[in-house]
Amino acid sequence: NAGVTQTPKFRVLKTGQSMTLLCAQDMNHEYMYWYRQDPGMGLRLIHYSVGEGTTAKGEVPDGYNVSRLKKQNFLLGLESAAPSQTSVYFCASMAGASYEQYFGPGTRLTVT
Amino acid sequence: GENVEQHPSTLSVQEGDSAVIKCTYSDSASNYFPWYKQELGKRPQLIIDIRSNVGEKKDQRIAVTLNKTAKHFSLHITETQPEDSAVYFCAASIDYNFNKFYFGSGTKLNVKP
Repeated sequence: NAGVTQTPKFRVLKTGQSMTLLCAQDMNHEYMYWYRQDPGMGLRLIHYSVGEGTTAKGEVPDGYNVSRLKKQNFLLGLESAAPSQTSVYFCASMAGASYEQYFGPGTRLTVT
Repeated sequence: GENVEQHPSTLSVQEGDSAVIKCTYSDSASNYFPWYKQELGKRPQLIIDIRSNVGEKKDQRIAVTLNKTAKHFSLHITETQPEDSAVYFCAASIDYNFNKFYFGSGTKLNVKP
């Protein structure tokens, strides 16, 4: 039981490049989230999903897109990366009947 | 939306002392308040949580208190140990809408041996 995994762990992009971050969970959780963590700002919600095929915007959605084609996967896309998107990205999942979020190990993204 | 403020941003205590971290929230509809611990370079992990129908909850050396009237909640760690050193985050959510969690900015706790 791997829990929540994220791919890749590290990535360096040039301004304007695109990439996709993959989050996978094997706990059959309904809810999945993408957060970004910046120094001194805690975790901010980018997008979330309440089930397969559904997505919704969080606090800071601009510049990101998401998809949840399969229940176990939640993808975060950056179409045209900007230096302001340099951050650590965490994915989390949660069962519908509980409130505990399980976090992935994080992806450190640097945009130059 | 909800606004969660957390204080202090850094806290240094001597091993064996107690540590208290405080959070306030703005939305009176919030009714679920988890606390997460994040060690350096690691993922956040839930350490304790409280719902609004409870005023206090304790788990060994960790306790959380909630004052709904004042809209604040606190994390208390007693008999601190060096392994308690980490960043602690509070969060707030509304359980009929618990797909959104709002986090505080974090408190870096340093326990000196």
